Amino acid sequence: GQQLNQSPQSMFIQEGEDVSMNCTSSSIFNTWLWYKQDPGEGPVLLIALYKAGELTSNGRLTAQFGITRKDSFLNISASIPSDVGIYFCAGQIAGNQFYFGTGTSLTVIP
Amino acid sequence: DGGITQSPKYLFRKEGQNVTLSCEQNLNHDAMYWYRQDPGQGLRLIYYSQIVNDFQKGDIAEGYSVSREKKESFPLTVTSAQKNPTAFYLCASSTVTNQPQHFGDGTRLSIL
Repeated sequence: GQQLNQSPQSMFIQEGEDVSMNCTSSSIFNTWLWYKQDPGEGPVLLIALYKAGELTSNGRLTAQFGITRKDSFLNISASIPSDVGIYFCAGQIAGNQFYFGTGTSLTVIP
Repeated sequence: DGGITQSPKYLFRKEGQNVTLSCEQNLNHDAMYWYRQDPGQGLRLIYYSQIVNDFQKGDIAEGYSVSREKKESFPLTVTSAQKNPTAFYLCASSTVTNQPQHFGDGTRLSIL
């Protein structure tokens, strides 16, 4: 299957700081998704991106579909304790399955 | 409320036994999926179904089987041929296969 490299693997930040994470692939994708997973639960869709260069926000979260179509970025502004969890990217090549990254584990220190 | 229900939340299996994990959705979605999640490895696709009575193997189908007799239901059987079944199993659905997937809350399977 396709490899999606997600970085960083883990982050420890102070409450109120901004967070940036990214996802890269050797393949060109048509769709990028970002999910958040809380412990013991299923991932919840945060943002979906469908066009190269697209920038989409969901509250304090902003995600971008990279111009090369091989990467995507997620930013969280002014982090709060409930932002804790694992963030996954997922990419889709046209008509095929979605491939998931290995996740970025976020810890917010109050 | 519409959603995806997985049961049970926790499941224990003796070696050599088959077990079946349940996944039901009331979102009227055509496509359904099963993923396996291991620490540090993200989600890996086991099987998916685009429509009733049809399903396709994903990247790690060996040792697993599925059926799709009803639109709402996509049960996964972990057979005794699966040598390392301990994992967190996630079911998902989408309107069609090229749309974002919505996930259930998972079933954690452990071997006794």
